[in-house]
Amino acid sequence: SQQGEEDPQALSIQEGENATMNCSYKTSINNLQWYRQNSGRGLVHLILIRSNEREKHSGRLRVTLDTSKKSSSLLITASRAADTASYFCATASSSSNTGKLIFGQGTTLQVKP
Amino acid sequence: DADVTQTPRNRITKTGKRIMLECSQTKGHDRMYWYRQDPGLGLRLIYYSFDVKDINKGEISDGYSVSRQAQAKFSLSLESAIPNQTALYFCATSDARGRGDSGANVLTFGAGSRLTVL
Repeated sequence: SQQGEEDPQALSIQEGENATMNCSYKTSINNLQWYRQNSGRGLVHLILIRSNEREKHSGRLRVTLDTSKKSSSLLITASRAADTASYFCATASSSSNTGKLIFGQGTTLQVKP
Repeated sequence: DADVTQTPRNRITKTGKRIMLECSQTKGHDRMYWYRQDPGLGLRLIYYSFDVKDINKGEISDGYSVSRQAQAKFSLSLESAIPNQTALYFCATSDARGRGDSGANVLTFGAGSRLTVL
């Protein structure tokens, strides 16, 4: 079964608005990562947040992590049409030393110009 | 050249045929992975390798096999393809070292191989 569940499955906003995507997971983790996928392309790593961190920023991206609720959110501020893509969270379980990542189902973001 | 190269990028084949998807990387990473992506199901792990002699099954390994020919090469085979193996397949590498490193494990993906089994 999938470790991460993203919400919403699809999101459509106007350029300039903020986009927020959420991820919930089931087990204790070492870290949580967010990836982006343009249509039909490979995934690209965006940001990693460790289990002992609560918030992290990278450019227009802001990620939060609440380990008590087993959830994370990705905020994209001042969105652009080029942000149109699918976004996936991925978790590395702390119960395993393999570090393998389990991906959620993704949120499809459409940013209208 | 891309850090992680997958071939072929697209392949159409028939039920029962043997198919090999190849992956090569120039990042010098020990860990390599094969994922499968289906609409609405996200990415599911098929096989992963910590190094040339350490290969492990993922969530959905049935019907697949792999070969780690060298640190840089990791191929995925479908011995007898079936229609429900129609999917987008991704190879990825990780900056984590060997088996014991449970650190960041950030993945670098190839561009994908789209396989259609008729």
